[in-house]
Amino acid sequence: DTGVSQDPRHKITKRGQNVTFRCDPISEHNRLYWYRQTLGQGPEFLTYFQNEAQLEKSRLLSDRFSAERPKGSFSTLEIQRTEQGDSAMYLCASSSRDRRTQYFGPGTRLLVL
Amino acid sequence: KNEVEQSPQNLTAQEGEFITINCSYSVGISALHWLQQHPGGGIVSLFMLSSGKKKHGRLIATINIQEKHSSLHITASHPRDSAVYICAVTTLGGGGADGLTFGKGTHLIIQP
Repeated sequence: DTGVSQDPRHKITKRGQNVTFRCDPISEHNRLYWYRQTLGQGPEFLTYFQNEAQLEKSRLLSDRFSAERPKGSFSTLEIQRTEQGDSAMYLCASSSRDRRTQYFGPGTRLLVL
Repeated sequence: KNEVEQSPQNLTAQEGEFITINCSYSVGISALHWLQQHPGGGIVSLFMLSSGKKKHGRLIATINIQEKHSSLHITASHPRDSAVYICAVTTLGGGGADGLTFGKGTHLIIQP
């Protein structure tokens, strides 16, 4: 257990539905990252927060994706109008001010039918 | 071409063997990370390197900045070392302000 938690751990949804995932980072960490990992591939960067500010978004993050970190603590990642191609593991990680080691959560595995 | 390349993609070895996994990168980096991912998805950070060599137990990580190459070694391998080992880099001046760029991973199986 790295201290980063994600909820839910698994989500099955039908195409077109909206889903929301939550990440709770290590409490003193001000940096929070979202990554996506498809089967057989390494993770890919999606977006990054420093405190409550979303400072970077990948081109992978289409308009259907939105992420928030309203109080600089937990973060949510919402996918609207899900597509089968959104099926993946969504990973959250956090790090402290020294921007060094990232601590990963267990991930949320999404399956879009 | 991916910015981070790992080899081999798959490796099966016998318990006790010395294991080497290689990582090459093509971008300027501020740090290189070796990560371990077990079935079920959880990722654990093993090492973060910006130069030289680090050792933790039976694991050794080295990096050659000039050659843009890193290796992860496992001595006296054990079946519990079976996992996916992922190389990732923190790129200079981008990559999501320390967001990592990952290789595809090396799937290691250690047979008893």
